[in-house]
Amino acid sequence: QKEVEQNSGPLSVPEGAIASLNCTYSDRVSQSFFWYRQYSGKSPELIMSIYSNGDKEDGRFTAQLNKASQYVSLLIRDSQPSDSATYLCAVRGSYKLIFGSGTRLLVRP
Amino acid sequence: SAVISQKPSRDICQRGTSLTIQCQVDSQVTMMFWYRQQPGQSLTLIATANQGSEATYESGFVIDKFPISRPNLTFSTLTVSNMSPEDSSIYLCSVIDNREGVGKLFFGSGTQLSVL
Repeated sequence: QKEVEQNSGPLSVPEGAIASLNCTYSDRVSQSFFWYRQYSGKSPELIMSIYSNGDKEDGRFTAQLNKASQYVSLLIRDSQPSDSATYLCAVRGSYKLIFGSGTRLLVRP
Repeated sequence: SAVISQKPSRDICQRGTSLTIQCQVDSQVTMMFWYRQQPGQSLTLIATANQGSEATYESGFVIDKFPISRPNLTFSTLTVSNMSPEDSSIYLCSVIDNREGVGKLFFGSGTQLSVL
C-alpha cells in the first residue's frame, strides 16, 4: 500500500464547476497535510495546508481533513482553465514530507 | 516565502559524466532537502542537506552517487555522479520556511536533467 494515494486522473470539469480532489494516507500519526499545484514543466507550488480536522478555506480553495478516515481533500470552486494542472497531496510523516503521485485536473472552457 | 534560486535550470549530459546543481536561498534556513521527480512520477526525497555535517540519505540513494554539500545556511549543492539515462529527471531543491507556518516546504525552480 502506498503511503499517500491519489487518483491519477485526469479529472475533467467544465469551467465554473467545483473540482474535488481526494487523497488518502496510511500513517495514522501524520499531523500536517499539504496541497501543491504543479503546472507542466514547473516546480510544485504550495496552495493549501491543513493541520486539524474539518475545513479550511482560502479564496476558491477549501481543504478538508478527516483524520479518523485518513482522508484529505481539496475543493476548487468556480474552476478556471488556469487551474488545469497536476495537484499533489503531501503528508508529513515522522520527519519528511511524503507526496502522492498527483491528480491531473483539466478545466474545460 | 523564501526565494530559492536553482541552477542550472536544465542541462543535457553525456553518460558517465557528473553534474553539480546549485541551490541558493535568500534567507537562512535550517532544513534543506533535495528531491527527484522522474518523468510522469511524483517527488521522491533524495536526502536532507545538513549544515556542518554529512547529508542524510533516503533508502535507495547513496553518497557516492549523489554527494551533497551544505557549507552554510543559505546554500547547498547536489552532484549527480557517473550519470546514466536513468538519472534523467527533474531535481528540486526545497526548504522549510517556518515564517510561513509550521513545516511548509517550498521549492526552487528545478533542474531538468537529460542524460544521453
